[in-house]
Parts: sequence; C-alpha cells; structure tokens
Amino acid sequence: QVQLVQSGAEVKKPGSSVKVSCKASGGTFSSYAISWVRQAPGQGLEWMGRIIPILGIANYAQKFQGRVTITADKSTSTAYMELSSLRSEDTAVYYCARDLERYDYLGYYYYYMDVWGKGTTVTVSS
Amino acid sequence: SSELTQDPAVSVALGQTVRITCQGDSLRSYYASWYQQKPGQAPVLVIYGKNNRPSGIPDRFSGSSSGNTASLTITGAQAEDEADYYCNSRDSSGNHLGVFGGGTKLTVL
Repeated sequence: QVQLVQSGAEVKKPGSSVKVSCKASGGTFSSYAISWVRQAPGQGLEWMGRIIPILGIANYAQKFQGRVTITADKSTSTAYMELSSLRSEDTAVYYCARDLERYDYLGYYYYYMDVWGKGTTVTVSS
Repeated sequence: SSELTQDPAVSVALGQTVRITCQGDSLRSYYASWYQQKPGQAPVLVIYGKNNRPSGIPDRFSGSSSGNTASLTITGAQAEDEADYYCNSRDSSGNHLGVFGGGTKLTVL
C-alpha cells in the first residue's frame, strides 16, 4: 500500500522560496507520476504540476510556469515541489498525490490521483 | 478561470439521490475523476475512469459522462456524504496538464 509522507509546515517571507518534500513508501516509486495540488484558505483545489520520476520529466500548469520546479529523487523515493518568489497569495496547503494513467477497453484515456499526502501548510507572511 | 465548471452548491434530502455535474471541453476526450473533501482533510478519490470506485468507497457513488459533461451521482445520500466535491481531468492543451473544477459544496438536509 503506497503512502505519501510530506514535510512539515513552513513559514516564509515574501520573495523567498519554499521546498516541500513528499516521500513515498510501498509500491514502486518510478512506476507512477506524482502531482502537486494546492488549496488556499477557503478556496478550491488547484493543480500545479506533475513529474514522472522514471523519466524525470515535469509538466507545470501555465499559472505556475517559471515559479515552480518539481523534481524527484528515485534513490529515496521522494518528490519535491519548490515554489519561488513567494507572495501572500501562495499561502495554502500543498498536497502531493500519486497520479496514475490508464486506457480503458475502448481506448479512452483517463487519469486519477488515488493516494494523497496529508498536506503541508505554507504560510507567506512578512 | 477553471476549464471545468461545477455548480458551487447543491443540497439533497437525507436518503435521496443527487447528481453533481462538471462541464468542460476536455471532457469530450478524457474521463473525469471525482474527489470528496471534508473540512481539514485531504481529498479522497471516489470515482475514476468510466465509472470505477476505489476500494472502500460505497456503491451509492457512481459516475457517468455524456458529451462535455461528467456527473457524480450519490444514490441514497447519507449525512456523512456532506462535503466538497471536485472533478478533475486533463485540460484541453494536449500536454497532460491537470485541471480541477471549482468544487461543489454538498449539503445533506
């Protein structure tokens, strides 16, 4: 059973960077992708990006292009999300999730996030 | 702005059936997945693919899709189903980017 364990809460100054980790246990880390999702206080879920550890390839939502970097260390089964140039609007809970892709018997593609970390609270405040 | 559109709030009487919908162009190409989130908790996957439920999700949850609309149906809603529900799929860029709907707050009366 795959579990994702995230790093602890962070308090950061505006303009600085934060790096959140997500360590996987169980399963084969390189056989799936990891997505990062955030949720600002009282707001909905927001997809930030994903990485395929076996390939080391990351994709980012346009909103975060240039500010977010997602990496993975296969040797420790850990994914990382680094967000730079922090501002108050980046105050949120950041989640990692296992991202699986499939095709059904008709050839339709679908993906889903079936295992989630508990979330890491990042507070940006001067 | 989100490429997937959900009604902000829906209510249902205890034991009745409720449908939560999600609209978006990318849903013509990709199935949606659905997530339940209760206050202070991480999201939980409830439906994925055409109509698949992870282990442990009650069979009163089901999914369907038609054209640009995906639906999550709860047949015989229970008090514990009161939560926020989010749809998710790939966006329409073709670059395997994800996108969430804005979420629907379900109230069980």
